Amino acid sequence: DIQVTQSPSSLSASVGDRVTITCRASQSINNCLNWYQQKPGKAPQLLIYGASTLQSGVPSSFSGSGAGTDFTLTISSLQPEDFATYYCQQSYNGATFGQGTKVEIK
Amino acid sequence: QVHLQESGPGLVKPSETLSLTCFVSGYSISSGHYWTWVRQSPGKGLEWLGTINHSGITYYNPPLKSRVTVSVDTAKNQFSLKVNSVTAEDTAVYYCARVIAMAGSYVDYWGQGTLVSVSS
Repeated sequence: DIQVTQSPSSLSASVGDRVTITCRASQSINNCLNWYQQKPGKAPQLLIYGASTLQSGVPSSFSGSGAGTDFTLTISSLQPEDFATYYCQQSYNGATFGQGTKVEIK
Repeated sequence: QVHLQESGPGLVKPSETLSLTCFVSGYSISSGHYWTWVRQSPGKGLEWLGTINHSGITYYNPPLKSRVTVSVDTAKNQFSLKVNSVTAEDTAVYYCARVIAMAGSYVDYWGQGTLVSVSS
């Protein structure tokens, strides 16, 4: 099984801050890494697929990078609607999700 | 717009079978892509259960493979999930979703989710 480990598990930030979330896979997964945003009571929503491709309709303040085992989700300027929980997911072999990063208001 | 809607009992007794159906609208399952079930519980987070394509080819999460069955009915444009021999650990919100097989694969449309509790 491929494990994916996110960090941090939670963070506090202010509107306008730059936020970085990392995801590490237990083995190389090439670029088979996706990022989702989830708000309470709602299904996750796709932000980035293939490590760095922005899903249609997602603000350009979101970006993804990385390959192999180490990946990053960056929010360049945090907006009020961005306070949520973020998950990475590997799709190289089956599917495994990270444990989530909760972004809270500072 | 693709829309997915889960349907099924919200309460299942221990040792029985959990059965859910996902109704798809706005897209024909026969046109392609893959269709998947994911669940979310406080204890285990997001967990992939299984995936199927329009031809009925299935892929399962290895730890759950012995208890999970995913099937598709292209005529009704729906797909289904069965989890056998459930315990309290199977209590979760269950999501159905569409998977695009590109750049690995990713979920682009999700159902709203349905809470299934396992209790006597």
